[in-house]
Amino acid sequence: KQEVTQIPAALSVPEGENLVLNCSFTDSAIYNLQWFRQDPGKGLTSLLLIQSSQREQTSGRLNASLDKSSGRSTLYIAASQPGDSATYLCAGRNYGQNFVFGPGTRLSVLP
Amino acid sequence: GAVVSQHPSWVICKSGTSVKIECRSLDFQATTMFWYRQFPKQSLMLMATSNEGSKATYEQGVEKDKFLINHASLTLSTLTVTSAHPEDSSFYICSARVGRGGTDTQYFGPGTRLTVL
Repeated sequence: KQEVTQIPAALSVPEGENLVLNCSFTDSAIYNLQWFRQDPGKGLTSLLLIQSSQREQTSGRLNASLDKSSGRSTLYIAASQPGDSATYLCAGRNYGQNFVFGPGTRLSVLP
Repeated sequence: GAVVSQHPSWVICKSGTSVKIECRSLDFQATTMFWYRQFPKQSLMLMATSNEGSKATYEQGVEKDKFLINHASLTLSTLTVTSAHPEDSSFYICSARVGRGGTDTQYFGPGTRLTVL
C-alpha cells in the first residue's frame, strides 16, 4: 500500500527566497502524484499533477519533479511571496487506487 | 476546468442530530466519488468510495452505519453523519473522478466544516 510522507512539517522563510518542499512515497509503481495547496479552513487547490511517465511539471513559479526510483517528489517555489503561505500537500496514487495524502508542509513566507 | 461543489460549506449541530452533506459535480458526470475527513492540522484520510447506483466501500475503521453515503446520480453524492457527536467534528472533503483507466482525473470540492456541540 502506498505511503506518503512530507518533510519538513513546517517551514518559515523570508519573502523572495527560493524553497523546496519534499515528498516521499514507498511504492515506485506510483501512477501519478499531485501537489495541492490548502489555505486555513479551505479545500484543496490543485497545483501540479505529474504522471508516472513524466519527470517534472511547471506552472509559473512552481516546478514539481518526480523520481520514481528514489521514491521522491519535490515542489520548488521560486521567489516566494507572502501569498504563498499555506499548507502544501502531496498525494500519490497507484493505478486503480485512490490518492494517499502526505501530512503536509505548513509554509509561512514572511514579508 | 471541472468544478465540484459541496453544501453546506459549514454546519453547526447539536450532539445526537444527523447532518447531511452534499457533493455535486457541476459540469461533468463522475464515475466515482470519494469522501475524505481531515482533522485539524492533519492530512486527508479517505473514508469511503462510492459509485453511482451501488453501495459505498468504506475504509477500515469507518463506521458505515454512522456515515451513510448515497450516490443517487452521476452528479450527486451525499454523506449523512448520523447521531453526530463532538468527536465527529471535522472538515469533510469530497472528490469526484471522471474518466477511467489512464485518463481519469479527480477533482476536489471546497470542503464542509462540521462542528458538533
